Amino acid sequence: QKEVEQNSGPLSVPEGAIASLNCTYSDRGSQSFFWYRQYSGKSPELIMFIYSNGDKEDGRFTAQLNKASQYVSLLIRDSQPSDSATYLCAVKFYNQGGKLIFGQGTELSVKP
Amino acid sequence: GAGVSQSPRYKVAKRGQDVALRCDPISGHVSLFWYQQALGQGPEFLTYFQNEAQLDKSGLPSDRFFAERPEGSVSTLKIQRTQKEDSAVYLCASSIDPDTGELFFGEGSRLTVL
Repeated sequence: QKEVEQNSGPLSVPEGAIASLNCTYSDRGSQSFFWYRQYSGKSPELIMFIYSNGDKEDGRFTAQLNKASQYVSLLIRDSQPSDSATYLCAVKFYNQGGKLIFGQGTELSVKP
Repeated sequence: GAGVSQSPRYKVAKRGQDVALRCDPISGHVSLFWYQQALGQGPEFLTYFQNEAQLDKSGLPSDRFFAERPEGSVSTLKIQRTQKEDSAVYLCASSIDPDTGELFFGEGSRLTVL
């Protein structure tokens, strides 16, 4: 069983809508949670991280964490065509050093 | 440098050849990671260095894969006797503090094994 799971998509939303991206993880002492964005042919870049239960907002992005349900999500408000990319969920587990375990990514397409 | 630099960006190898992929991390970043990313998949962890010490190599798929970082800066990932299933993008990432989990990725080395 994969430790971090995401729906591969593609997820298609109209411009201006809210895009909701979801991720579940196995409970092996999960520590912190990250969302990376990867444009086609490019390397992943960090969007947000979250450590505590609840919501964390940064501009149009909101990360939501529910440790009891082993669930982390990313909401993108007022989606733009430039948000079209693959979104990678990553988890850092206790006693695993600094490495991140990534999900397979969700492809998001924002239609004008 | 300003970012993580990887070379070569593209490598085509015949099955059975050895390849070496280089990573030059951001100056001052003590942690360095190698990931393998197959088409349409997320990055898969290969190995992790803190300075020159290889602290975790649990993700290396076979003994054909070897990584080193002898002086705690530049790292090389070597793949011996390449196989078709080794075809992937190899991503290097560095981090100034392994506790934060924020990784800065290079552009990757795309390996194609014919």
